[in-house]
Amino acid sequence: RKEVEQDPGPFNVPEGATVAFNCTYSNSASQSFFWYRQDCRKEPKLLMSVYSSGNEDGRFTAQLNRASQYISLLIRDSKLSDSATYLCVVITGGYNKLIFGAGTRLAVHP
Amino acid sequence: NAGVTQTPKFQVLKTGQSMTLQCAQDMNHEYMSWYRQDPGMGLRLIHYSVGAGITDQGEVPNGYNVSRSTTEDFPLRLLSAAPSQTSVYFCASRSPARGSSYEQYFGPGTRLTVT
Repeated sequence: RKEVEQDPGPFNVPEGATVAFNCTYSNSASQSFFWYRQDCRKEPKLLMSVYSSGNEDGRFTAQLNRASQYISLLIRDSKLSDSATYLCVVITGGYNKLIFGAGTRLAVHP
Repeated sequence: NAGVTQTPKFQVLKTGQSMTLQCAQDMNHEYMSWYRQDPGMGLRLIHYSVGAGITDQGEVPNGYNVSRSTTEDFPLRLLSAAPSQTSVYFCASRSPARGSSYEQYFGPGTRLTVT
């Protein structure tokens, strides 16, 4: 079983739609969680951290469910510019190693 | 600041050739890492370093060597290229700060094809 699993998608949604991605992790000792965004043929960039109490950044909301070992990302009012691959990232054990999910691809169409 | 830079951007090698992928950062970050990204696999850690002179293996280290003689540079050496090493390689760096404010910065990637 992979340490971090994501639905690869693609999620094809119209502009203005709300879309949600989930990510599950296998190690219950994982302590830090993040969402990264990766545009086609570009490097990943940090989108947002995920806090235990949940957090929001504009149209983006991240949630953590430790009991079920998953994190989620909700995007409201989708824009064409949101089209990208969203990577779930988990830090387990020491802070030297980040474990990446394979990514969920989002395509927003007019 | 240039951030994290990688050279070359593209490279084609024949099986058995060796080469070095260059990575440099100007943010004075202690931690540096090399990842490879393959379709459907996500980013997998090859080697990492927590400071000059200190390196360690990641998830997929076989066939690769690293060294860290300065804080700024972290080259990745392919000893004898194999078609299985065809991939996109990303170098990344970060400070050792802990907590949820953590961020890792990536270079633009090197697209390597081994024939």
